Amino acid sequence: DADVTQTPRNRITKTGKRIMLECSQTKGHDRMYWYRQDPGLGLRLIYYSFDVKDINKGEISDGYSVSRQAQAKFSLSLESAIPNQTALYFCATSDFAGVTGELFFGEGSRLTVL
Amino acid sequence: SQQGEEDPQALSIQEGENATMNCSYKTSINNLQWYRQNSGRGLVHLILIRSNEREKHSGRLRVTLDTSKKSSSLLITASRAADTASYFCATDLFLNYGGSQGNLIFGKGTKLSVKP
Repeated sequence: DADVTQTPRNRITKTGKRIMLECSQTKGHDRMYWYRQDPGLGLRLIYYSFDVKDINKGEISDGYSVSRQAQAKFSLSLESAIPNQTALYFCATSDFAGVTGELFFGEGSRLTVL
Repeated sequence: SQQGEEDPQALSIQEGENATMNCSYKTSINNLQWYRQNSGRGLVHLILIRSNEREKHSGRLRVTLDTSKKSSSLLITASRAADTASYFCATDLFLNYGGSQGNLIFGKGTKLSVKP
């Protein structure tokens, strides 16, 4: 089983719909992240969480919200999806020892907004 | 804004040749990391180099870091068709009052194609 699991892996939806992408991890890491990947733009950070009570905005948080339900679960919501949110979304986790070390990524959730 | 920028954007080589990718960044870092992504898959960590290190090796990978030039390079020696992937650098920013911003900022990646 994967250490970082994202669901759904693929989703097609319509403009205006609410969408939730879920991430769960078995690595026991406190830190979890949501990144978005667009062709030619690399990965951009949406939100990150250092623990259950800590949520931080990333570079492109507008139009997104997150919930850290437990240490192992971090979900990303699009309250009202729009076509330019069509992208590949990645969840990642890391341990922390004073600096940010290796990130462990899920396999991604491909979202298409029509 | 992107902290790291990889160069070249795309690289095509023959099997057995070496592949060199470069990364430049803008502000002080704690460490710089390289990741690999096979098409449409999750990123996989390759190597981490700390700001006080100049060179690091892992198998066929060699990473250098020049903090005075704010740049890093990733060398893959004796490349194989299976090395075909996109490669990203990512930086952990050093904060002025010390410590880490707590996340990684990724560049746009270099797409490597290794032809058999």
